[in-house]
Amino acid sequence: GAGVSQSPSNKVTEKGKDVELRCDPISGHTALYWYRQSLGQGLEFLIYFQGNSAPDKSGLPSDRFSAERTGGSVSTLTIQRTQQEDSAVYLCASSQELNQPQHFGDGTRLSIL
Amino acid sequence: RKEVEQDPGPFNVPEGATVAFNCTYSNSASQSFFWYRQDCRKEPKLLMSVYSSGNEDGRFTAQLNRASQYISLLIRDSKLSDSATYLCVVRRDSSYKLIFGSGTRLLVRP
Repeated sequence: GAGVSQSPSNKVTEKGKDVELRCDPISGHTALYWYRQSLGQGLEFLIYFQGNSAPDKSGLPSDRFSAERTGGSVSTLTIQRTQQEDSAVYLCASSQELNQPQHFGDGTRLSIL
Repeated sequence: RKEVEQDPGPFNVPEGATVAFNCTYSNSASQSFFWYRQDCRKEPKLLMSVYSSGNEDGRFTAQLNRASQYISLLIRDSKLSDSATYLCVVRRDSSYKLIFGSGTRLLVRP
């Protein structure tokens, strides 16, 4: 489809392992955002990318979290040495420009055992 | 205190009812406002932007009161398919991240 695509849909892993989550934004969208939604919590901003500008990383909760966006399109969010509190749905969104409405993907449901 | 506050509900209303949700935000630097809808275990979807003059989209009307830092969403003639969680969202134009309220859950019964 033409929407934001995220993979995997679900990921179960053991505490201490590293995980990589992928986001493929809507074609032509220059801005890409990562959020997470923990059980019973609202969505929490993590990071955004706009074109070739330096990303806004102000929402990353710790240095175990990092993200990159290669070629201005696909992005990966990496969580190192996962902890149980990292369990959440990780949502990616994209917009045509930074000031345009953001459209979300289906998310990756991450469970840390 | 959260930057965006909403009544969590649930609001349980019969089909055809009119229901209103309110939201307050604490940061006066907030410049853009939205309502998103989220179905259970699904991604949020943009319902409508909220403009200073108020705006309407079919059965949905959004209002903004900057002086009181208050946003509302009115749904007329509720349908069963309106059952969802409604998320109040603000954005400061100095930063493009969205700040979400925890959502208000709506249940429309037959």
